[in-house]
Amino acid sequence: KQEVTQIPAALSVPEGENLVLNCSFTDSAIYNLQWFRQDPGKGLTSLLLIQSSQREQTSGRLNASLDKSSGRSTLYIAASQPGDSATYLCAVKKGPAQKLVFGQGTRLTINP
Amino acid sequence: GAGVSQTPSNKVTEKGKYVELRCDPISGHTALYWYRQSLGQGPEFLIYFQGTGAADDSGLPNDRFFAVRPEGSVSTLKIQRTERGDSAVYLCASSLLTTDTQYFGPGTRLTVL
Repeated sequence: KQEVTQIPAALSVPEGENLVLNCSFTDSAIYNLQWFRQDPGKGLTSLLLIQSSQREQTSGRLNASLDKSSGRSTLYIAASQPGDSATYLCAVKKGPAQKLVFGQGTRLTINP
Repeated sequence: GAGVSQTPSNKVTEKGKYVELRCDPISGHTALYWYRQSLGQGPEFLIYFQGTGAADDSGLPNDRFFAVRPEGSVSTLKIQRTERGDSAVYLCASSLLTTDTQYFGPGTRLTVL
């Protein structure tokens, strides 16, 4: 059974810092991995999707990497801003017609 | 265009009652997913539809939970004899194909007193 773990559970940093969020998964046979953002009381917004054949994806100040063999992904946020404060979730998919398996999320706070 | 919508946004009910939660996916999306998110946890899969049929219902916790999608668009999640442990945010997502990014709705917060 696939298990996804995110460390740390919460992170608080000053504005302007670069930071890394971690995601690990137990079964390396994944189809893709997604990073989502969730604001309080809101649904999930997809940030980046990495296919199993890819090593990384970039969007603006965000960069996500994937190392399938070690069962790890990282989300790098450059020059953090208070508006980046949210919960960040990673999720993996085993196959093209499969459910997403989520980690428990990292609650990120960027202090002005 | 319009995103995934869910109604109601909040539902408070008493233990033992029946509830229905509705999901309107993005127009044209063939795949529809239901997830449940407890406080401080990531979403957990419940069921997914491809068209009108439930392609995977392995996440439904017991037979009190049932979902339908009769015309391949709107879906309803039905919970019978609600229990306090059913309290959570119920999220719906849709995708154009099962291989694509899932787009999530804002969720329905269910509270069972």
